Amino acid sequence: AQSVTQPDIHITVSEGASLELRCNYSYGATPYLFWYVQSPGQGLQLLLKYFSGDTLVQGIKGFEAEFKRSQSSFNLRKPSVHWSDAAEYFCAVFSQGGSEKLVFGKGTKLTVNP
Amino acid sequence: DADVTQTPRNRITKTGKRIMLECSQTKGHDRMYWYRQDPGLGLRLIYYSFDVKDINKGEISDGYSVSRQAQAKFSLSLESAIPNQTALYFCATRSRTGLETQYFGPGTRLLVL
Repeated sequence: AQSVTQPDIHITVSEGASLELRCNYSYGATPYLFWYVQSPGQGLQLLLKYFSGDTLVQGIKGFEAEFKRSQSSFNLRKPSVHWSDAAEYFCAVFSQGGSEKLVFGKGTKLTVNP
Repeated sequence: DADVTQTPRNRITKTGKRIMLECSQTKGHDRMYWYRQDPGLGLRLIYYSFDVKDINKGEISDGYSVSRQAQAKFSLSLESAIPNQTALYFCATRSRTGLETQYFGPGTRLLVL
């Protein structure tokens, strides 16, 4: 069965510092991968997605992610974090066949210190 | 206007009450989903529907039912609410031909006392 692991439950960084959020997936075929962000009291907003092609994908708000098949990873990065990036981040893999649902990781909560 | 809307946004109810959460979308998508979010658990699928006449259980459907009144509307009901159904509920939509991207509503925060 497909699964997504986000090893870090909570990360704290200083404003202006770089950020990397880890995501590992388990999936037999070529995965379709997503990162969503949930700001406090808000719904889920799509940051970026990977389907095929270039393994480095660019998203909104200055985020990027790199797909590494050999490591089964899809880590999210941002070179310089802003206070408004404080939120919870979810990695997800599309489950092909059946429900065609998204399988989510448990999320990483990001705190940004001034 | 938002593409996926959910009503109500917040709801407090008592144990044993029946309540309905509603989802509407203007994206013209045929696939619709209900997820539940609990702290530290991510999102889990409750029910999904590929069409008005195609409704299926997800991984945590016990205690819930759904109705697909039209392509644009998908409602989730709690037949007899219990405290452990306190959670944040999300509706999502996806096009059959879309690039597997799901679009989420703003969520309904439910508290069962």
